[in-house]
Amino acid sequence: DTGVSQNPRHKITKRGQNVTFRCDPISEHNRLYWYRQTLGQGPEFLTYFQNEAQLEKSRLLSDRFSAERPKGSFSTLEIQRTEQGDSAMYLCASSFGTSEYNEQFFGPGTRLTVL
Amino acid sequence: GQQLNQSPQSMFIQEGEDVSMNCTSSSIFNTWLWYKQEPGEGPVLLIALYKAGELTSNGRLTAQFGITRKDSFLNISASIPSDVGIYFCAGPLFNKFYFGSGTKLNVKP
Repeated sequence: DTGVSQNPRHKITKRGQNVTFRCDPISEHNRLYWYRQTLGQGPEFLTYFQNEAQLEKSRLLSDRFSAERPKGSFSTLEIQRTEQGDSAMYLCASSFGTSEYNEQFFGPGTRLTVL
Repeated sequence: GQQLNQSPQSMFIQEGEDVSMNCTSSSIFNTWLWYKQEPGEGPVLLIALYKAGELTSNGRLTAQFGITRKDSFLNISASIPSDVGIYFCAGPLFNKFYFGSGTKLNVKP
């Protein structure tokens, strides 16, 4: 399968714990995006990378959230000291090229439940 | 933040009927995109629009980029059960990407 993959697909954690999600984009896609989606809403933009550089961050990305893409391939999203309000689906997408207008291909998401 | 308003929020239709939904914004967009999301999956791009007034089709789907660049429309003709899902409008603005809240489509066989 050459699509965007995300791991784990589901994560249940207790409030206050740290969690890390991984996204593997489509090979050779240089742009990688992270979104958060809560029930009944559309995806909300969190951040994106052009290769290894993080170029834009939403105000939704509080200081408890950090994203990395160290070698310009896979990316990780870490949430520290999770809160119940962090419960959501975290989606990753990738695209090829340098334009924000290029088609984004989404992964299946990681569903986070914070108890 | 930027809001993309979609209507209707949900629709219940009979198989074979045509469907229309729209998306409006207070900001001007240079690109409008329509995605479909099925349960447990990420959104999948259906149609991309790049020019005001543009009308683009993809099979039974037709989308239009409004001439004010603040709205877009999606039509589905002769709906079938596999059209069930949530349809989102989306677009890039100022280095960020925005999605509407979605139109949930239910199709009765």
